[in-house]
Amino acid sequence: DQQVKQNSPSLSVQEGRISILNCDYTNSMFDYFLWYKKYPAEGPTFLISISSIKDKNEDGRFTVFLNKSAKHLSLHIVPSQPGDSAVYFCAASAAQGGSEKLVFGKGTKLTVNP
Amino acid sequence: DTGVSQNPRHKITKRGQNVTFRCDPISEHNRLYWYRQTLGQGPEFLTYFQNEAQLEKSRLLSDRFSAERPKGSFSTLEIQRTEQGDSAMYLCASSPGLALSTDTQYFGPGTRLTVL
Repeated sequence: DQQVKQNSPSLSVQEGRISILNCDYTNSMFDYFLWYKKYPAEGPTFLISISSIKDKNEDGRFTVFLNKSAKHLSLHIVPSQPGDSAVYFCAASAAQGGSEKLVFGKGTKLTVNP
Repeated sequence: DTGVSQNPRHKITKRGQNVTFRCDPISEHNRLYWYRQTLGQGPEFLTYFQNEAQLEKSRLLSDRFSAERPKGSFSTLEIQRTEQGDSAMYLCASSPGLALSTDTQYFGPGTRLTVL
């Protein structure tokens, strides 16, 4: 039973355009959501997070949107750059529910073409 | 470098051998986590420590796996009698452990285990 789903295995965008990566979850106990970026043979790098009490969080070119009623979140990257090409993982935790572990999706491979 | 460090970065072993990995968390981070990642999957939680105490273990952590954090600083993950199915990237993460609901985990570079 996959509690965090990233239904698009890959996404390709042109440099300068917007990249939108989507994530759905099923566990209503999740209260903290994170996006990580991963290059091959490296560990995940933290990008941005959002608490369930918010619906939007921005950090430079990265914005995360949370729709709790739809159990959906998305990561927007504007403008996209070739260096953004990597695998992006959505993760969630239910800290208030007593579980500190992160539950990850399978990832979306983003390719930004020059 | 003040990030999470893991050693070794790569380990090749024969089936049936024991292996041990080490993780050094970010200084003053109270929580330390172990995850495993296989090809095409996201990281899967194995276990985590709050200081020295091991507070949660996944069902993925069979009897052949043991993790320790004896002084609340570095941690070791040992796999006994390795099997080919243990081949994976083993990731360590740490977090400050100060804010219950917004505690961000920072990952190390991982240890790639190959069991022949």
